[in-house]
Amino acid sequence: GAVVSQHPSWVICKSGTSVKIECRSLDFQATTMFWYRQFPKQSLMLMATSNEGSKATYEQGVEKDKFLINHASLTLSTLTVTSAHPEDSSFYICSARVSIPDRKWSYTFGSGTRLTVV
Amino acid sequence: QKEVEQDPGPLSVPEGAIVSLNCTYSNSAFQYFMWYRQYSRKGPELLMYTYSSGNKEDGRFTAQVDKSSKYISLFIRDSQPSDSATYLCAMCTGTASKLTFGTGTRLQVTL
Repeated sequence: GAVVSQHPSWVICKSGTSVKIECRSLDFQATTMFWYRQFPKQSLMLMATSNEGSKATYEQGVEKDKFLINHASLTLSTLTVTSAHPEDSSFYICSARVSIPDRKWSYTFGSGTRLTVV
Repeated sequence: QKEVEQDPGPLSVPEGAIVSLNCTYSNSAFQYFMWYRQYSRKGPELLMYTYSSGNKEDGRFTAQVDKSSKYISLFIRDSQPSDSATYLCAMCTGTASKLTFGTGTRLQVTL
């Protein structure tokens, strides 16, 4: 089945530094990938949609200059949290849209990255 | 009103019980319905995928969609401690590419 590999699984960084999270589709081409944020015991909040070769579409209230998304190839999308602050500490998850039979599609998720900013 | 409503639980059941998880939604354009299972500090894992109304069974899991009532369900038979996780319903329209999630229901299956 379609597998999305996300790295790192956890990261601790100092306030003011930047952190890059990678999401790779291992056995399929992902033209569309999604980035979510999840707070403890809450559901996933969509941050942005990235399409290969074009600019990401950010959801309302998400700072595009703070959360930089790059989707330069069909198998790799990255999320960079710039000038991270403690309030950016969260669980970040990527997802890719996968085509399935009968011209429908499904969504597969990475294993998530736990970011702690100290 | 949220587009998708889901009881957050927690729901605690004994091993072997039948579990019923539910979501209601308000957007009649939703056509694709999914159930995901998420273990703590892990990404969601797709359990069931249904298109439009009806039932779908896969092992111990049955997904049910009632579009007339805007109501979807996931049934887990013979629940096991390993089923303890958060279950998220998700749905999208036929043309939009983003999922709308419920808040998730935490399930605890006890021995």
